[in-house]
Amino acid sequence: GAGVSQTPSNKVTEKGKYVELRCDPISGHTALYWYRQSLGQGPEFLIYFQGTGAADDSGLPNDRFFAVRPEGSVSTLKIQRTERGDSAVYLCASSLRGGPQETQYFGPGTRLLVL
Amino acid sequence: GESVGLHLPTLSVQEGDNSIINCAYSNSASDYFIWYKQESGKGPQFIIDIRSNMDKRQGQRVTVLLNKTVKHLSLQIAATQPGDSAVYFCADLGGGTSYGKLTFGQGTILTVHP
Repeated sequence: GAGVSQTPSNKVTEKGKYVELRCDPISGHTALYWYRQSLGQGPEFLIYFQGTGAADDSGLPNDRFFAVRPEGSVSTLKIQRTERGDSAVYLCASSLRGGPQETQYFGPGTRLLVL
Repeated sequence: GESVGLHLPTLSVQEGDNSIINCAYSNSASDYFIWYKQESGKGPQFIIDIRSNMDKRQGQRVTVLLNKTVKHLSLQIAATQPGDSAVYFCADLGGGTSYGKLTFGQGTILTVHP
């Protein structure tokens, strides 16, 4: 595809529910990144995949958050037992090889609202 | 300037003026810096980048300046247009093995008046 795509664009859920957010990276990009952006803030790093494996998951806030990338392309961010504080825009980015000094290209984000 | 909570720094300019957006970073090991533009309801869009071995880099209507001594980055936009109105974020990438972890600043709201 032409750019990073994310689905759904908006997700409303109830406290305690489980949600999955999907990211399709730019074709051929081996590195994929998840960030979370709260209102009025810059994006905050969550996790970074190099191929199928998580190279750095130091930004995941707690064990309710989990992400997978089983075939090294599409990734799913999973949030269990959602809390109101999880409401934010979840951004996905990809880069060609995930090496140093490499530009990350972002998708439009998924706006998650937990009621 | 400094900002607290949801109060992002703002810059208002007239169409055709030059704009300068500033950013401070804290990691002295950072070796790569990027400016992103984010319009309402969209993801960050890459504008320009600079590596730590450079002081200045120019693109189309944009220039980034890097001062490693004081850990300061600036984005200059020439002949600002209404379409430039957005939130601008600087981001840096730490050196070593922190390949994937961009650290973003809080952002500056640029408003361009016709």
